[in-house]
Amino acid sequence: EPEVTQTPSHQVTQMGQEVILRCVPISNHLYFYWYRQILGQKVEFLVSFYNNEISEKSEIFDDQFSVERPDGSNFTLKIRSTKLEDSAMYFCASGTGVREQYFGPGTRLTVT
Amino acid sequence: AQSVTQLDSQVPVFEEAPVELRCNYSSSVSVYLFWYVQYPNQGLQLLLKYLSGSTLVESINGFEAEFNKSQTSFHLRKPSVHISDTAEYFCAVVSGGYNKLIFGAGTRLAVHP
Repeated sequence: EPEVTQTPSHQVTQMGQEVILRCVPISNHLYFYWYRQILGQKVEFLVSFYNNEISEKSEIFDDQFSVERPDGSNFTLKIRSTKLEDSAMYFCASGTGVREQYFGPGTRLTVT
Repeated sequence: AQSVTQLDSQVPVFEEAPVELRCNYSSSVSVYLFWYVQYPNQGLQLLLKYLSGSTLVESINGFEAEFNKSQTSFHLRKPSVHISDTAEYFCAVVSGGYNKLIFGAGTRLAVHP
């Protein structure tokens, strides 16, 4: 069964550094998403990506964040200058529409 | 904007007892509802979904949820829980034209022997 994969599983970085979180969505999916979950809190929407552009973003997704689909298979989330409060589990998801979204296993980002 | 309320942050229950995890959503014309499960240190797995049709939906591991439009609820139930059902359960609703999910705060189900 196809699945969404994410790398790395855990990333430790220092405050102010840039990080890139990588995702490989399911191949025939058209909608791509990033969510995050701060420890002990609920899952929050960050951004959706459709037709090679951002379709919607939340208030969390400020100028420090960017997304790319550089080669038709990978889907990346970049944080330019990490802050302590960016520490969270980041989930990538993909889907074909409203029917459901498939989530990856997540990347735990720790900013020290 | 759509929102989801999960009324219980934690639900402790004994093995083989029934359980209900409550979820209420803000009303909208079209509603698509989901329950996801997150086992410790793992990602989100889809448990079941309501898109249309029968208001009672079931999962392969014995959970069921009923869409109740008049009460704007989508409660999750299981008649007899197992230790292995211990996990965090998230209710979610689709919002907007690009289908982003809005999640509730989650309910931690703790099944005790």
